[in-house]
Amino acid sequence: EVVLTQSPGTLSLSPGERATLSCRASQSVKTSYIAWYQQKPGQAPRLLMYATSIRATGIPDRFSGSGSGTDFTLTISRLEPEDFAVYFCQHFGGSSWTFGLGTKVEIK
Amino acid sequence: EVQLVESGGGLVQPGKSLRLSCAASGFSLSTYWMAWVRQAPGKGLEWVANIKEDGSQKYYVDSVRGRFTISRDNVQRSLYLQMKSLRVEDTGVYYCVRGPAVPYFYYNVDVWGQGTTVTVSS
Repeated sequence: EVVLTQSPGTLSLSPGERATLSCRASQSVKTSYIAWYQQKPGQAPRLLMYATSIRATGIPDRFSGSGSGTDFTLTISRLEPEDFAVYFCQHFGGSSWTFGLGTKVEIK
Repeated sequence: EVQLVESGGGLVQPGKSLRLSCAASGFSLSTYWMAWVRQAPGKGLEWVANIKEDGSQKYYVDSVRGRFTISRDNVQRSLYLQMKSLRVEDTGVYYCVRGPAVPYFYYNVDVWGQGTTVTVSS
């Protein structure tokens, strides 16, 4: 089973700044199998990115994804007030769909 | 509108059973993997179980294998999670989610229900 380690645990930034979130897999994985989600308090998660770098429907282009092998990154180019939330990466394995523990992006 | 609506959560004593249901609408259930994902209070997301579009394959996280059973009824447009021998650590919000679709061009969970809360406590 692939284990995903997200870092940092918390990212304190100001609106307009750039956010870089890391997701490291315990073994090399296919880019097709990595997705990212955003969750705000009291809400269900929302799909942001899939296949590492494809934005889901309605996701603004300030969100981008990259990576390969074991290292994957979600970048928010300029933080908007609505972007402060928790972000999770996910791997689709053959028999398990594992999530990272999440990165909280908070207002500095 | 594509929608997933969970029901069946509640307060239950340790060792007891509970059955969660999820009603799907707005899409053809029979072409999608489906799954349950849970979230303990203040914690992250945990995949619990998934089931192939025709029900022929089912997988579980180690902590629930042998206690939980995922099933589906594509005709009734429903997904289920039978939970037995519940433990305090099973407490959380349980989300019904839609996974990859045949022919599996992309892998993601693109639809989430609003969640149903399960509390295991004496």
